[in-house]
Amino acid sequence: DAGVTQSPTHLIKTRGQQVTLRCSPKSGHDTVSWYQQALGQGPQFIFQYYEEEERQRGNFPDRFSGHQFPNYSSELNVNALLLGDSALYLCASSSILAGDMYEQYFGPGTRLTVT
Amino acid sequence: AQRVTQPEKLLSVFKGAPVELKCNYSYSGSPELFWYVQYSRQRLQLLLRHISRESIKGFTADLNKGETSFHLKKPFAQEEDSAMYYCALSRGYGGSQGNLIFGKGTKLSVKP
Repeated sequence: DAGVTQSPTHLIKTRGQQVTLRCSPKSGHDTVSWYQQALGQGPQFIFQYYEEEERQRGNFPDRFSGHQFPNYSSELNVNALLLGDSALYLCASSSILAGDMYEQYFGPGTRLTVT
Repeated sequence: AQRVTQPEKLLSVFKGAPVELKCNYSYSGSPELFWYVQYSRQRLQLLLRHISRESIKGFTADLNKGETSFHLKKPFAQEEDSAMYYCALSRGYGGSQGNLIFGKGTKLSVKP
């Protein structure tokens, strides 16, 4: 099991563009959470998906949206990119069905640079 | 407001010395607290959580509700402990856990 995988590894976009980041959860996990980590900061919760629905959301604008597919993989979409969206985007998976939401497994992240 | 504070950006100790990484939190309910660690070129991983009250790699952390603290301690630091450490708080409830609030992190450097 490769654990949580994310693609792409790095991405460079121009202000105003749109971007899609992808995440595959660890085998057996059904819940995906997305975090934004700016340089020198801790990860900040964006939202969480379970059963293909957004269950929780952090303090992020509607420009940030997501999706979860029947195979539990997930996408994070960001519209109208701003320079301040430059960050490392982390995906974490866990399992509600297994009764252990506390153990979140993180992916390696996607480094987004907005110019 | 719910918040996690790690006052030290960098902590440097010598091998064999005791280590204490500080974490204070602000939360109105019953917190679930965690320490995550990120070793060089590796992904973020869970080190320990207060509900399990276990020792991992020689590290322990005690939740002090009176002082709203969850400091991470190890009596004798090893060079392989050098890493970035994040304290985190879960503000979920019931089946809504997994919404973590992280501190800014403390970089631990253990010198030989």
